[in-house]
Amino acid sequence: AQKITQTQPGMFVQEKEAVTLDCTYDTSDQSYGLFWYKQPSSGEMIFLIYQGSYDEQNATEGRYSLNFQKARKSANLVISASQLGDSAMYFCAMSPNSGYALNFGKGTSLLVTP
Amino acid sequence: DVKVTQSSRYLVKRTGEKVFLECVQDMDHENMFWYRQDPGLGLRLIYFSYDVKMKEKGDIPEGYSVSREKKERFSLILESASTNQTSMYLCASSLLIAGLYEQYFGPGTRLTVT
Repeated sequence: AQKITQTQPGMFVQEKEAVTLDCTYDTSDQSYGLFWYKQPSSGEMIFLIYQGSYDEQNATEGRYSLNFQKARKSANLVISASQLGDSAMYFCAMSPNSGYALNFGKGTSLLVTP
Repeated sequence: DVKVTQSSRYLVKRTGEKVFLECVQDMDHENMFWYRQDPGLGLRLIYFSYDVKMKEKGDIPEGYSVSREKKERFSLILESASTNQTSMYLCASSLLIAGLYEQYFGPGTRLTVT
């Protein structure tokens, strides 16, 4: 069975600062994918970034980067130059090799302050 | 752009009523999912479908059923709504990328059962 752990229920960061949201996972699969989603107060889930288990380089998408440490089974999301609009819930998720559904962590609430 | 739509953003139903939540995607995705989201619990998979008329139970199928008669439409049915089914319901469809599945989400339906 797969398990995703997000240990930070809530985080604060000042505007323009960088912030790291933690995610660790547990799986016996050799091939898997890791995802981060953002959920603003409006409720929709917005895909941010994806990392495959065999990707050697850390994924980056604009201000988002994924710090993938396979041996430590961690996939932390780094948001650089935080903006007020980054205030939201953030979910780490994992896709198993042979299955179809995502396993989600419980989420981290990020608040960006002026 | 991929679009996943859900029939209602907000819904209020009475205990014992039969409730239908509809989800439609316009990108010809094979896989569709229903999740339930509760504070502090993250997203939990109720059912998923990988083809028309095919369905698989997720982690919390009790009290729910699903229907997929057409590829683009996946319905979640609460046979007899109960107050503990008050929650946010999210539908998703998925696209295969690089051997793994990225999911696109609808806006969510916030269901209240009184």
